[in-house]
Amino acid sequence: QKEVEQNSGPLSVPEGAIASLNCTYSDRGSQSFFWYRQYSGKSPELIMSIYSNGDKEDGRFTAQLNKASQYVSLLIRDSQPSDSATYLCAVASGGSYIPTFGRGTSLIVHP
Amino acid sequence: DAGVIQSPRHEVTEMGQEVTLRCKPISGHDYLFWYRQTMMRGLELLIYFNNNVPIDDSGMPEDRFSAKMPNASFSTLKIQPSEPRDSAVYFCASSWQGATNEKLFFGSGTQLSVL
Repeated sequence: QKEVEQNSGPLSVPEGAIASLNCTYSDRGSQSFFWYRQYSGKSPELIMSIYSNGDKEDGRFTAQLNKASQYVSLLIRDSQPSDSATYLCAVASGGSYIPTFGRGTSLIVHP
Repeated sequence: DAGVIQSPRHEVTEMGQEVTLRCKPISGHDYLFWYRQTMMRGLELLIYFNNNVPIDDSGMPEDRFSAKMPNASFSTLKIQPSEPRDSAVYFCASSWQGATNEKLFFGSGTQLSVL
């Protein structure tokens, strides 16, 4: 059973701070890692993907991957109230491309 | 492109009734997924198709659930008979699993309430 674990939160941060969201996974064969953002009442949308150990930056977002520790994280710099949403971690095993989703972490950015 | 289109957006039905959810994937996408989302269990994969063929239906909770994809532009998820525990948001998603593209495009979802 492939598992993806996230703290459900809510994680509350002040506007302008760095939000750090974490995810662990059980399948050591996992090769593809994704972060989806889901606003309340809306569908998930992909914001970051990462495939290699290390950091990947895209604007205010940085994804970090450590395969040895089976750990992936998402950092949001200069958090804005518009970043308030649930962030879903998704992991796919090599060759399958079929992601397993975590239950998500609720992020609240307060002014 | 209009994106993944799901219908209906909301469905309220009584226990025991048949429910049919519909999905039109993005043109050119060769994978189609049906997910169910609840607060308790998060986003669960029910079934997925590749080139209209069901590949893995191990996530379908029981025989009351069935899914079809008669052609590349249409899929249905049917629940018969429906039960209150089936109440959830059902998402359809499609993707093109090229070498570098594993992004799932989700529809707006169907909010199902079984009374």
